[in-house]
Amino acid sequence: DIQMTQSPSTLSASVGDRVTITCRASQSISSWLAWYQQKPGKAPKLLIYKASSLESGVPSRFSGSGSGTEFTLTISSLQPDDFATYYCQHFNSYPWTFGQGTKVEI
Amino acid sequence: EVQLLESGGGLVQPGGSLRLSCAASGFTFSSYRMNWVRQAPGKGLEWVSDISSSSSTIYYGDSVKGRFTISRDNAKSSLYLQMNSLRAEDTAVYYCARAAAQYSSSYYYYYMDVWGKGTTVTVSS
Repeated sequence: DIQMTQSPSTLSASVGDRVTITCRASQSISSWLAWYQQKPGKAPKLLIYKASSLESGVPSRFSGSGSGTEFTLTISSLQPDDFATYYCQHFNSYPWTFGQGTKVEI
Repeated sequence: EVQLLESGGGLVQPGGSLRLSCAASGFTFSSYRMNWVRQAPGKGLEWVSDISSSSSTIYYGDSVKGRFTISRDNAKSSLYLQMNSLRAEDTAVYYCARAAAQYSSSYYYYYMDVWGKGTTVTVSS
């Protein structure tokens, strides 16, 4: 099984900060990666798919990059609505595992 | 409006069974792979199972293999998860999710673009 490791687990930031979250795969997954945002008590929301494609309706301050084993999610200027937990997920092969999550807090 | 609505969660004793349902609306259900994802209290997301649009291919996570069965009824636009031999560690919010795909350079790039609000399963005596 492919393991997904996110770093950091928790990130303290302020409004306006540039934030970068890293997701590493235990083996190459090409660009088969998605990023989700989850707020407490809510379902996850798709942000990025195919490693760098922005889902429709998602603000352009969110961007994804990477291929192979290392990927990043960047928020160019953190907004109050962005404080949440972020997850990566691979789709290279089954099981489609998630990273452990990165909590972005004030 | 594209929507998924889970139901069937509740309190069940260890060793018991439960059947979750997910009703889809606003899109052509029969065209999409569908998934179950769960989240234990205070924990991260865990992929549970995937079923193809025609039910021809099915996959499970190791933690539920042999105990859970995913199925679908395209005529009713519904997804199901039959959960048997439940354990305390199965306690979680269970989400159904649509797996969309983008075809590019001879590959299908999957992602989960629509999620239900979830249904809570508690396994306890």
